[in-house]
Amino acid sequence: ETGVTQTPRHLVMGMTNKKSLKCEQHLGHNAMYWYKQSAKKPLELMFVYNFKEQTENNSVPSRFSPECPNSSHLFLHLHTLQPEDSALYLCASSQEGGGIGRTEAFFGQGTRLTVV
Amino acid sequence: GDSVTQMEGPVTLSEEAFLTINCTYTATGYPSLFWYVQYPGEGLQLLLKATKADDKGSNKGFEATYRKETTSFHLEKGSVQVSDSAVYFCALSGDGSSNTGKLIFGQGTTLQVKP
Repeated sequence: ETGVTQTPRHLVMGMTNKKSLKCEQHLGHNAMYWYKQSAKKPLELMFVYNFKEQTENNSVPSRFSPECPNSSHLFLHLHTLQPEDSALYLCASSQEGGGIGRTEAFFGQGTRLTVV
Repeated sequence: GDSVTQMEGPVTLSEEAFLTINCTYTATGYPSLFWYVQYPGEGLQLLLKATKADDKGSNKGFEATYRKETTSFHLEKGSVQVSDSAVYFCALSGDGSSNTGKLIFGQGTTLQVKP
């Protein structure tokens, strides 16, 4: 299997539930990202991980908790979400450190999350 | 801060028509510029990129030229097909000190091509 794989593809959860989104990349990249895509809004960068270390958190509410156990796997743990958190959550990976003109980010197919 | 502005959609064209989707950006330094495409129910796929001024990115008949003087990266295709119907995103990433995956996106432009 190649590329960036996200599971599940669809998730419906109640506001009191706890769930996790999973992302796995088979590209040997050293950086991973979570993005949120809401209707009629630009994609928003949520978290950045470089070599398993979180290097950026764009003021994301604490009900979203990322975890990166190794360079190939990234999780987004969800708890006590709100209906406005319903969106498509996209994972991406890239290879950093190669200088100008280095490779681009590769995206997974996303998890469509609905909070009821 | 850095930003990307795309023309608002939806854009509706007949098959074989000429396509232009405008994109302008605001950035410090020397960003790389990208066009990503999202087909229904899918994630984002890189369509083309340009990493320095006057570079032209091209793929699948689509082209875009990095114009630093006008801070633009307009997407063009000479003859669209029904299969090109998708959402197109213009994006930029930072200069050499930033992650290439740390992208700033425009709001996306929906293209619908009718037979």
